[in-house]
Amino acid sequence: DIVLTQTPLSSPVTLGKPASISCRSSQSLEHSDGNTYLSWLHQRPGLPPRLLIYQISNRFSGVPDRFSGSGAGTDFTLEISRVEAGDVGIYYCMQATDFPRTFGQGTKVEI
Amino acid sequence: QVQLVQSGAEVKKTGASVRLSCKASGYIFTWYYMHWVRQAPGQGLEWMGIIYPGNDYISYAQKFQGRVTMTRDTSTATVYMDVRNLRSEDTAVYYCVRADNQYFDLWGQGTLVTVSS
Repeated sequence: DIVLTQTPLSSPVTLGKPASISCRSSQSLEHSDGNTYLSWLHQRPGLPPRLLIYQISNRFSGVPDRFSGSGAGTDFTLEISRVEAGDVGIYYCMQATDFPRTFGQGTKVEI
Repeated sequence: QVQLVQSGAEVKKTGASVRLSCKASGYIFTWYYMHWVRQAPGQGLEWMGIIYPGNDYISYAQKFQGRVTMTRDTSTATVYMDVRNLRSEDTAVYYCVRADNQYFDLWGQGTLVTVSS
């Protein structure tokens, strides 16, 4: 199984300041079709996760451009340019390149 | 609107079975894969398996092989997941999730399953 390792696991942030989360994969996430199926999800307490970023860097519908994704191969990053209060919660990276689908352990972002 | 509505919370005894449902609306049910993901209290996300309503393709995570069965009813746009021989470690929120080109774009609200002796 592909193991995704996120760092940090906890990230105290300051409103208006940037934040960054790293996700490292145990093997390349580049699919044989040439795409890299690495996504980022955000979960607020008591709610289901929601999709932020797909295929490394594509923002999902309605996601503000404060969120950006980058990376390739085995190393990926989610960046928030200016943290807002609603950004608190847990962020997960997830791979859909291979079965079983796997998730990172989650990074808790708190003000 | 486009949504997935899951069945209500369940409380089960150890060794029992549970059937969870997930009703899709607002989109063409047979065009999208559906996954099941669970989350134990205070824990991360765990993928359980996938079903494609268009042709009944199914694949389970190895951990759940033999204990989980996923089915679909195209007439009601509903997917089901049966989990047998429940144990305390199965206490979790279970989510159905639609996948669009490999990314999880639409999540159900979740169903809490509590297993106790």
